[in-house]
Amino acid sequence: QSALTQLRSVSGSPGQSVTFSCTGSSRNIGGYDYISWYQKHPGKAPKLIIYDVNKRPSGVPARFSGSRSGNTASLTISGLQAEDEADYYCCSYVDTHRFMVFGGGTKLIV
Amino acid sequence: EVQLVESGGGLVQPGRSLRLSCEVSGFTFDDYAMHWVRQAPGKGLEWVSGITWNGGSTVYADSVKGRVTVSRDNAKNFLYLEMNSLRDEDTALYYCGKDGGPNFDWLIDNWGQGTLVSVS
Repeated sequence: QSALTQLRSVSGSPGQSVTFSCTGSSRNIGGYDYISWYQKHPGKAPKLIIYDVNKRPSGVPARFSGSRSGNTASLTISGLQAEDEADYYCCSYVDTHRFMVFGGGTKLIV
Repeated sequence: EVQLVESGGGLVQPGRSLRLSCEVSGFTFDDYAMHWVRQAPGKGLEWVSGITWNGGSTVYADSVKGRVTVSRDNAKNFLYLEMNSLRDEDTALYYCGKDGGPNFDWLIDNWGQGTLVSVS
């Protein structure tokens, strides 16, 4: 059981927007800006798509955005495309142990 | 081009040891902290361990603490993960990853393709 809770799956149609949630506590999501999101296609390495809550690495389209409210972080993908179908993992620093933890992951079905 | 290439995985009996390696290129290795992350079959990502740029600080997940040691050789551009007393639940694809800074920005911006460890 991860300290970060994510829904098992989310679905959307091409062109729509979907939002993933990641719920933790004040000891992780709510207390630090070290929140990142990763996209993982089967058989491929994970890819960083959001870091520091809402920053995008170069090369990541602007239709990927991140935010936080209280102890819940969110990733929104607008203008869904078929290639967005993947697993999405949130990740946060945890101060009780001074390490990082991943959420259980959400499968996006497009 | 940033490249991370893991090696050292394989089939190993419970209780035995294994050392994973990660050779990096395309960036100044000793400017960055590094991490190990694993994914068990059919499961999600699990962070395993991290090490700062000079090895001065190492951190471990509770699930491996006391059984695993992370280290690095900055002269050779290698990251290592020494795994002892292996258990069935250590079976996973192990990825090495590059942090965003020297002393843990707590993100992984580049990943290898992984090396598979099977404990049986």
